[in-house]
Amino acid sequence: SYVLTQPPSVSVAPGQAARITCGGDNIGSKSVHWYQQRPGQAPVLVVYDDGARPSGIPERFSGSNSGNTATLTINRVEAGDEADYFCQVGDYSTEQVFGGGTKLTVL
Amino acid sequence: QVTLKESGPVLVKPTQTLTLTCTFSGFSLSSGMRVSWIRQPPGKALEWLARIDWDDDKFYSTSLKTRLTISKDTSKNQVVLSMTNMDPVDTATFYCARTSNFHYYFDVWGRGTLVTVSS
Repeated sequence: SYVLTQPPSVSVAPGQAARITCGGDNIGSKSVHWYQQRPGQAPVLVVYDDGARPSGIPERFSGSNSGNTATLTINRVEAGDEADYFCQVGDYSTEQVFGGGTKLTVL
Repeated sequence: QVTLKESGPVLVKPTQTLTLTCTFSGFSLSSGMRVSWIRQPPGKALEWLARIDWDDDKFYSTSLKTRLTISKDTSKNQVVLSMTNMDPVDTATFYCARTSNFHYYFDVWGRGTLVTVSS
């Protein structure tokens, strides 16, 4: 089955940009979605279809996808962005697959 | 407002069958809509389990498909998941989540329900 690989952790100082990667074989040919999960809460969709933002998600959140790597970028990181982030791919007939998750720490 | 809520037992014994219900509001399981079940063991990653589409098509995780059954009751706005032969390693928070408009991302999630498997 398809495997998505994320770094276990990313650390960033407030005000800086955080980049969280999601690796997969030719992932650039797929639509990638990203979720934020704060402790004790359900995941929340923050980016869909590689780089689109749902209503209510700040413009600081953006995404890109090419080759074997998709990237979630959070600009001007705030303390409230500290959370786990998961990437996901899937389509009609295939399994929906999640990455292993990345813990974002705001220093 | 679109909401989903999971319900079911908080504790099941090994070898028992787990049955969970997802009750939703604010939308109907009509054309283009899908509901999935996803689980998350404590401190671990999300794992997709199963999906049911508006037209009653059903899809399962390859690794768990022999243990899973998903069904829907459109009149009650409910989706039900059964998982047989539960084991302590199946202890997890179970979420139901919606995908809409023929897409494949989960735009609305329930709050989740923690199920512990223990004798």
